[in-house]
Amino acid sequence: KAGVTQTPRYLIKTRGQQVTLSCSPISGHRSVSWYQQTPGQGLQFLFEYFSETQRNKGNFPGRFSGRQFSNSRSEMNVSTLELGDSALYLCASSLDQGGTDTQYFGPGTRLTVL
Amino acid sequence: AQKVTQAQTEISVVEKEDVTLDCVYETRDTTYYLFWYKQPPSGELVFLIRRNSFDEQNEISGRYSWNFQKSTSSFNFTITASQVVDSAVYFCALSEENNYGQNFVFGPGTRLSVLP
Repeated sequence: KAGVTQTPRYLIKTRGQQVTLSCSPISGHRSVSWYQQTPGQGLQFLFEYFSETQRNKGNFPGRFSGRQFSNSRSEMNVSTLELGDSALYLCASSLDQGGTDTQYFGPGTRLTVL
Repeated sequence: AQKVTQAQTEISVVEKEDVTLDCVYETRDTTYYLFWYKQPPSGELVFLIRRNSFDEQNEISGRYSWNFQKSTSSFNFTITASQVVDSAVYFCALSEENNYGQNFVFGPGTRLSVLP
């Protein structure tokens, strides 16, 4: 079974731009979660989607948004990029709602904002 | 509120030594789940173990073992006879059943370096 895939793997943007990251979950998994990982803040939960609905959102500004499609693929969007948005963005999928199920992570998208 | 503490920021050991990574958690729920993940230099988080709060039995998987003690709110991870390939950042995580959709809270991680 293929694992979680994320595209692109690396991205360089400038301040003020917007970016869209994509995540394809493991086949059959309906829950997709997004995390931001930075050296200073560690791994922080962004949001979780299940059956195309956002179930919960972490403590991030509204510039961070996401969506999930009927095939469970998910995208996250960051608008008006700031230098502090430079991070590794990890996507994880699980069978159910993600709260307690094991989450399987993708390789991440490394975003650099210049 | 949920909280996970990994007091050891970095650990260095020589190959074949045993090493224990500590994890202490805080939760108000009686039903919760604990996890360990490994993050090698490639960046992908690799799942190691999931344990629910009602199962305090220790677990062994090859060179890996886990010691879960509810009395001290700890879920420690031991690598026996460490190898260079064990070098990675290890994260402990907590998920509460009642925080439906809350998802994981990760500890800050412990960077393990195994020297040849």
